[in-house]
Amino acid sequence: TQLLEQSPQFLSIQEGENLTVYCNSSSVFSSLQWYRQEPGEGPVLLVTVVTGGEVKKLKRLTFQFGDARKDSSLHITAAQPGDTGLYLCAGSTYSGAGSYQLTFGKGTKLSVIP
Amino acid sequence: DARVTQTPRHKVTEMGQEVTMRCQPILGHNTVFWYRQTMMQGLELLAYFRNRAPLDDSGMPKDRFSAEMPDATLATLKIQPSEPRDSAVYFCASGLRDGLPTNEKLFFGSGTQLSVL
Repeated sequence: TQLLEQSPQFLSIQEGENLTVYCNSSSVFSSLQWYRQEPGEGPVLLVTVVTGGEVKKLKRLTFQFGDARKDSSLHITAAQPGDTGLYLCAGSTYSGAGSYQLTFGKGTKLSVIP
Repeated sequence: DARVTQTPRHKVTEMGQEVTMRCQPILGHNTVFWYRQTMMQGLELLAYFRNRAPLDDSGMPKDRFSAEMPDATLATLKIQPSEPRDSAVYFCASGLRDGLPTNEKLFFGSGTQLSVL
């Protein structure tokens, strides 16, 4: 079983601050996805990173996949209250013959205070 | 907007009762996943289907849980008999697989909040 450790578990910051959350594993992943989940709703996919070292930007969010494809980070610039939510990373491993495993971390719960 | 629909949104039941949760995947998606989310364990994969065929249900307690896709528009997750430790939010997600899994995007429903007393 591939384990994904997310840190910090909880983060509370003031509007306008920058933050980084991390997703680490000892396993190599074919790709890694980041989701945001709001209370009472299901996770919503933000981005998929595939190549080691890849950086993707989504407005104020910057996602990076580690060179060894074992870890990832999410950086938010000038956080807004609308960024509040549970951020989940999920690593994908493909074992062939149609078998596919997507493992989720437990998430970072972010609160952005106005 | 196309979305995954789950029913019921909330279910409260007594231990020993049967619980059936339903999911309507997005039309045209060929994979369906069932996940369970708890504070302690996070999101755990219970089962998944591709083109309606079950591919992996190793995360599911076989003695009480069953998952089926009677047709392309309906996936069900059944618990019989239910136990208090089954209390959790159950999510269904559908995805469109195009070759490698790196090309797949999952769309989650809003979940079924299950409480077993």
